Amino acid sequence: GDSVTQMEGPVTLSEEAFLTINCTYTATGYPSLFWYVQYPGEGLQLLLKATKADDKGSNKGFEATYRKETTSFHLEKGSVQVSDSAVYFCALSKDSSASKIIFGSGTRLSIRP
Amino acid sequence: GAVVSQHPSRVICKSGTSVKIECRSLDFQATTMFWYRQFPKQSLMLMATSNEGSKATYEQGVEKDKFLINHASLTLSTLTVTSAHPEDSSFYICSARALPGLGDLGYNEQFFGPGTRLTVL
Repeated sequence: GDSVTQMEGPVTLSEEAFLTINCTYTATGYPSLFWYVQYPGEGLQLLLKATKADDKGSNKGFEATYRKETTSFHLEKGSVQVSDSAVYFCALSKDSSASKIIFGSGTRLSIRP
Repeated sequence: GAVVSQHPSRVICKSGTSVKIECRSLDFQATTMFWYRQFPKQSLMLMATSNEGSKATYEQGVEKDKFLINHASLTLSTLTVTSAHPEDSSFYICSARALPGLGDLGYNEQFFGPGTRLTVL
């Protein structure tokens, strides 16, 4: 079945470091891909998305490119801040109305000042 | 952005009792709400899709008589865990799907609540 695999955490970085969180997926057809972020005590928020191959999603300095050849959607940020500390979830959906979202297990990111 | 709340945020109950969890969309109407379950260090797993005014659609393997879902209004859905047992202990998360175009990223987006941690003793 369809699934999402992302790197296990926790990931701890110093402020201004470069961030990569790996995500790969298994799915038939052409899913849409997402990154969600969950800040402490809050609900998941959609961070960025890409709906077709080679699309790049970006938001708040984060980027991810839909790579169909490697079935990947790695999350990157050039210079992280303490406020980026959160849990990040990679996800996919094959439904255009996003009814059914399949999530990865989440990666906890902690940024040291 | 659109806000979804859940109540309670944390609940501890005895085995055999029933627990009700509320999910509310605070500043928008949601014709569809979703209920997820998350075990420690694991993915969110969709349990059921709840449409206002109709019966919920449950995912395979989810007992509908065990997890009762009611979506009586455009802003409220409830999940009742009936006759709870320790294996039902988990983190339950709801989301509400906004109408097209409401999300900041211009997508038919689900907005998530902060979750409810259920512990059954």
